[in-house]
Amino acid sequence: AQKITQTQPGMFVQEKEAVTLDCTYDTSDPSYGLFWYKQPSSGEMIFLIYQGSYDQQNATEGRYSLNFQKARKSANLVISASQLGDSAMYFCAMREGTSDYKLSFGAGTTVTVRA
Amino acid sequence: DAGVIQSPRHEVTEMGQEVTLRCKPISGHNSLFWYRQTMMRGLELLIYFNNNVPIDDSGMPEDRFSAKMPNASFSTLKIQPSEPRDSAVYFCASSPRWTGKETQYFGPGTRLLVL
Repeated sequence: AQKITQTQPGMFVQEKEAVTLDCTYDTSDPSYGLFWYKQPSSGEMIFLIYQGSYDQQNATEGRYSLNFQKARKSANLVISASQLGDSAMYFCAMREGTSDYKLSFGAGTTVTVRA
Repeated sequence: DAGVIQSPRHEVTEMGQEVTLRCKPISGHNSLFWYRQTMMRGLELLIYFNNNVPIDDSGMPEDRFSAKMPNASFSTLKIQPSEPRDSAVYFCASSPRWTGKETQYFGPGTRLLVL
């Protein structure tokens, strides 16, 4: 079974608008971490934001915020005030357990920001 | 601080040739990961080193692949002999001592094309 599911293969968003990227996960471990990475066309993987399963508040990093709904097992990324430079592929990933190092990645969502 | 450094950035080779990819992790990081990214399979973990010791190589596709980490600042991934199906982007990532929250920092990747 897929551990991370990203159902939106591609999205278009108008510049300055907000966009939400969906991510659902599957784990039976009560301790886990959720990560979002950005991969622009240049190819590098850029870490954006982290949410721990025991964190009481949703994570935020600048224009990035994570809408963490534990009961629904979803960890959606919200990008506010989209910029042209936000056009990229976005990956959701999960680490299970407190000591496990493995990251399970979703298939990714391509975001295209239109001027 | 310098990020993860990978070389070469691009490699084109012919089937049957040996390919060596190189990685310099972020100074002070004690975990190193090699990933492969393809359209068909997404991001796959190939091997994980902790304190220069290979901990998990279950993702290494077959005996043609080998990885070494002779010291804390250098790792290699070797493919011998290379095959066209090895064409992919290979990422090296490093992370600091694992306490549960740390993310993995990725290098720029090596785009490998095997003809």
